[in-house]
Amino acid sequence: GQQVKQSSPSLTVQEGGISILNCDYENDMFDYFAWYKKYPDNSPTLLISVRSNVDKREDGRLTVFLNKSGKHFSLHITASQPEDTAVYLCAAGSFMQQGTGSKLSFGKGAKLTVSP
Amino acid sequence: NAGVIQTPRHKVTGKGQEATLWCEPISGHSAVFWYRQTIVQGLEFLTYFRNQAPIDDSGMPKERFSAQMPNQSHSTLKIQSTQPQDSAVYLCASSWDWEYEQYFGPGTRLTVL
Repeated sequence: GQQVKQSSPSLTVQEGGISILNCDYENDMFDYFAWYKKYPDNSPTLLISVRSNVDKREDGRLTVFLNKSGKHFSLHITASQPEDTAVYLCAAGSFMQQGTGSKLSFGKGAKLTVSP
Repeated sequence: NAGVIQTPRHKVTGKGQEATLWCEPISGHSAVFWYRQTIVQGLEFLTYFRNQAPIDDSGMPKERFSAQMPNQSHSTLKIQSTQPQDSAVYLCASSWDWEYEQYFGPGTRLTVL
């Protein structure tokens, strides 16, 4: 079954607002969590990632929050811009399972639209 | 600094024909991953190499699909006797090693008529 789930397939935010994208996972062994951005007909681009030993990581307008007990992680985009409009994919892996855990499990994506 | 290179970008085959997809990882990266993306299933893992050795092929369909990495600069995914359900975007990703961030190539869009 789907190990990583994005329950909201779409989100619309006003320019300048905060976009919050959510992801739930099932596998207790996941220790690596990432968000990718994808434009139509383009491949996923890594935005930000976090390991399980931290519960938050910031990079400019992007922040990843990790809630291991709730098996949930989220991406917050502050000061959202129209150019943030894209599909966002969450992904998780088990990097401590040396070798075989390296494959990433992806959510199906959430379409973010930032309206001017 | 070139990213992951995939060729061809688009491939159209007739049902029953063979398709070979190529991937050149980022120079210095030792891990290469293959994924497949469809509208219905999303992005799914197929197989993965580390230092050219196959590590995990748990996502590969058991028949008709095979992957190789003959040297550190390229990997191939071969699909024999292609079927319409094989139509998808096939993505290759590479990472410095098995526990590092994965960077994707542009993908090969395979269409089986």
